[in-house]
Amino acid sequence: QSVLTQPPSASGTPGQRVTISCSGSSSNIGSNTVNWYQQLPGTAPKLLIYSNNQRPSGVPDRFSGSKSGTSASLAISGLQSEDEADYYCAAWDDSLNGYYVFGTGTKVTVL
Amino acid sequence: QVQLVQSGAEVKKPGSSVKVSCKASGGTFSSYAISWVRQAPGQGLEWMGRIIPILGIANYAQKFQGRVTITADKSTSTAYMELSSLRSEDTAVYYCAREGVVCSSTSCYPPHNWFDPWGQGTLVTVSS
Repeated sequence: QSVLTQPPSASGTPGQRVTISCSGSSSNIGSNTVNWYQQLPGTAPKLLIYSNNQRPSGVPDRFSGSKSGTSASLAISGLQSEDEADYYCAAWDDSLNGYYVFGTGTKVTVL
Repeated sequence: QVQLVQSGAEVKKPGSSVKVSCKASGGTFSSYAISWVRQAPGQGLEWMGRIIPILGIANYAQKFQGRVTITADKSTSTAYMELSSLRSEDTAVYYCAREGVVCSSTSCYPPHNWFDPWGQGTLVTVSS
């Protein structure tokens, strides 16, 4: 089973823009929508972006998502201290009998 | 507003089994899917499988085939994940999550979707 590839870490100072990439293949990102999850330390993951670029109610508009081909990205503009967390992309993979695949995760640090 | 509450932490011996529950409140339990995701200490998220209660169908990640069983009790709005032949590498936090699909007695639309909300997690420790 494959995984989606993310950089292990990203960082920025308050107010900066941070971008996280998520690389997949034709059987997952290339064929299905991408969702992003935020996991604050010691807590369960929380849905941050769904269907490539949609924000659930309550998610600040400084979070945005995009997808192109077999890659996706999450951008955090106007970085804030409370954004320090782990971020995971995820998508359905059509290979084998079908399964969900998560990204390797990116730790965002606010300097 | 759907909420998921999981059972408490477990300590198990290698070779034994563990069964974790996930009780849903709010929404219509049988009309959506429940997935199970685990996270080993310091590691990323790993999907194990899901169940669609109204269809009574479960499907599993290949890695866990034959070792995991996911069931649902519609009368109590509770999903269960049982993992057998436990080994130390199964030490992890196990999460249930509602999948944003709407299921009828024949199919779900869309066929797969995002996870929201998540349960609080259940720590399973496998140690001799």
